Amino acid sequence: GAGVSQSPRYKVAKRGQDVALRCDPISGHVSLFWYQQALGQGPEFLTYFQNEAQLDKSGLPSDRFFAERPEGSVSTLKIQRTQQEDSAVYLCASSSLGGYGEQYFGPGTRLTVT
Amino acid sequence: GENVEQHPSTLSVQEGDSAVIKCTYSDSASNYFPWYKQELGKRPQLIIDIRSNVGEKKDQRIAVTLNKTAKHFSLHITETQPEDSAVYFCAASDTNAGKSTFGDGTTLTVKP
Repeated sequence: GAGVSQSPRYKVAKRGQDVALRCDPISGHVSLFWYQQALGQGPEFLTYFQNEAQLDKSGLPSDRFFAERPEGSVSTLKIQRTQQEDSAVYLCASSSLGGYGEQYFGPGTRLTVT
Repeated sequence: GENVEQHPSTLSVQEGDSAVIKCTYSDSASNYFPWYKQELGKRPQLIIDIRSNVGEKKDQRIAVTLNKTAKHFSLHITETQPEDSAVYFCAASDTNAGKSTFGDGTTLTVKP
């Protein structure tokens, strides 16, 4: 079946603009994770959903970052008033087993804030 | 919170040699340790994982060992091939919380 998909793949935003990044997980996967990956570094945890419940948002860097998964499938990561330090690849992953088991990653959205 | 340290940051080996990458973690609540391979411009993909009730796991040329007392785990790749060249990430996860903490990665280069 289809893997995790993300859109857009690339996004250029001017500083101060709002952006919305979409993640379509594998059908039936209850767990969904968002990560931020800076160049040359490992993915850094942002937030975690189990179905529609956001169980952990401790990694969100500031209150400009907001994530939702209203129907327990598609998720959106929104960044308000983007700053240059928000430039990174944003990865989404889904899993059928919660914290255990393989996380299937999407291709990522590369965000560049100018 | 959890802190994962990964070494070395770069590793170059000759084809056919073995490669070892080591990670340490700080949170004793972590109980699941996956390893991901990320090729340039591509998404991370799981290559092997280990749970805290197991000390070693092997899958063909790849093995992972875990020492819970010392809080470290290692990836071993034997008979390396040029297609093993990639960035490898370790991670530590507390499955009760769901959160995974990744290391900063090791760039492995296998020279033909």
